[in-house]
Amino acid sequence: AQSVTQLGSHVSVSEGALVLLRCNYSSSVPPYLFWYVQYPNQGLQLLLKYTTGATLVKGINGFEAEFKKSETSFHLTKPSAHMSDAAEYFCAVSDPGNSGYSTLTFGKGTMLLVSP
Amino acid sequence: NAGVTQTPKFQVLKTGQSMTLQCAQDMNHEYMSWYRQDPGMGLRLIHYSVGAGITDQGEVPNGYNVSRSTTEDFPLRLLSAAPSQTSVYFCASMRALGTEAFFGQGTRLTVV
Repeated sequence: AQSVTQLGSHVSVSEGALVLLRCNYSSSVPPYLFWYVQYPNQGLQLLLKYTTGATLVKGINGFEAEFKKSETSFHLTKPSAHMSDAAEYFCAVSDPGNSGYSTLTFGKGTMLLVSP
Repeated sequence: NAGVTQTPKFQVLKTGQSMTLQCAQDMNHEYMSWYRQDPGMGLRLIHYSVGAGITDQGEVPNGYNVSRSTTEDFPLRLLSAAPSQTSVYFCASMRALGTEAFFGQGTRLTVV
């Protein structure tokens, strides 16, 4: 069964600084990979996803992530943080199997704090 | 566009009571799931359905029951509520497994 590890339950950055949220997965074959964002008291919404093709994926709100098979990683980055980026971020994977892709497995989440 | 609608948004139950959390989607998605979210635990899958009449267990199914009689609806039943079921519950739907999941706004449940 696949697992997802997000390093750091909380990450603090200053407004304008680089955002880097780490995600590593365990899977014997390349899975589908997702980043979701959750604002306070709301549901999750998709930031970006990797299925096949180009390993650098661009998402909404200036975020991007790079799939690195050799490192089993899918880290999320944004060049310049904005106050509105403060939220909780979840990495998720869907594993391919004999009967098709699996349901999503989520990491434990990383809370991004942005200070002025 | 309603997307995924969950009701109620908030609920307080006494230990031993039963209730049903409602979930409806209007995107004609075959796949629907229920997750619970607890601090520091991320989202954990309770049950999921790959189509009307077909359901399966996820990671934490004990104490919960589901059925899927229509494509649109996927209710989650708590048979006898326990304080350990205090959590935020999210329903999600997907066009297919491995594709983007669309989430409802969540139901915050407290069991006292």
